[in-house]
Amino acid sequence: ELKVEQNPLFLSMQEGKNYTIYCNYSTTSDRLYWYRQDPGKSLESLFVLLSNGAVKQEGRLMASLDTKARLSTLHITAAVHDLSATYFCAVVGGAQKLVFGQGTRLTINP
Amino acid sequence: NAGVMQNPRHLVRRRGQEARLRCSPMKGHSHVYWYRQLPEEGLKFMVYLQKENIIDESGMPKERFSAEFPKEGPSILRIQQVVRGDSAAYFCASSPGTGGLETQYFGPGTRLLVL
Repeated sequence: ELKVEQNPLFLSMQEGKNYTIYCNYSTTSDRLYWYRQDPGKSLESLFVLLSNGAVKQEGRLMASLDTKARLSTLHITAAVHDLSATYFCAVVGGAQKLVFGQGTRLTINP
Repeated sequence: NAGVMQNPRHLVRRRGQEARLRCSPMKGHSHVYWYRQLPEEGLKFMVYLQKENIIDESGMPKERFSAEFPKEGPSILRIQQVVRGDSAAYFCASSPGTGGLETQYFGPGTRLLVL
């Protein structure tokens, strides 16, 4: 059974700092997604990573994938308050279904 | 270009009642997925449907839950005889169904509260 684990689950940081969220998964998959969720809202797709060594960047967020280690990272550079949200990674299991990590609740303080 | 639409956005039911949640996929999308999110948790897959077909229902509870995606109209997730443990946010996602890479686009969710 495919399992996806994120850490940390809670992260409180100051504006301007850098940090990384980690996502480990237990079995081989050909796709990994990162989503953002604001409180009471739906999920916003941030990145889709397809191959080993893939790196994607959007603004202050950068995601990477190491399929050999079954690890993806979401790096936040010079955090700003607007990035406060819960971030989920998700891996494709059988027949297109997504298996989500527990989520990382990120709070960025002024 | 409307996104995935779900209604109602909020639903309150008493124990034993039925809940019907509706999902209209994005225009041109023929695949629909339902996920459930319990408070403070990640999303859990429930069911994957194409028009008139259930492709994967491995995440559906064995009793009281059913889903359909008819040829015409929205996809429906139906929960019979609701219990308090059914209180959650239910998200629908859709994808084009053209094969290969298919990002799932999520709707706003229906938040079900069972009293």
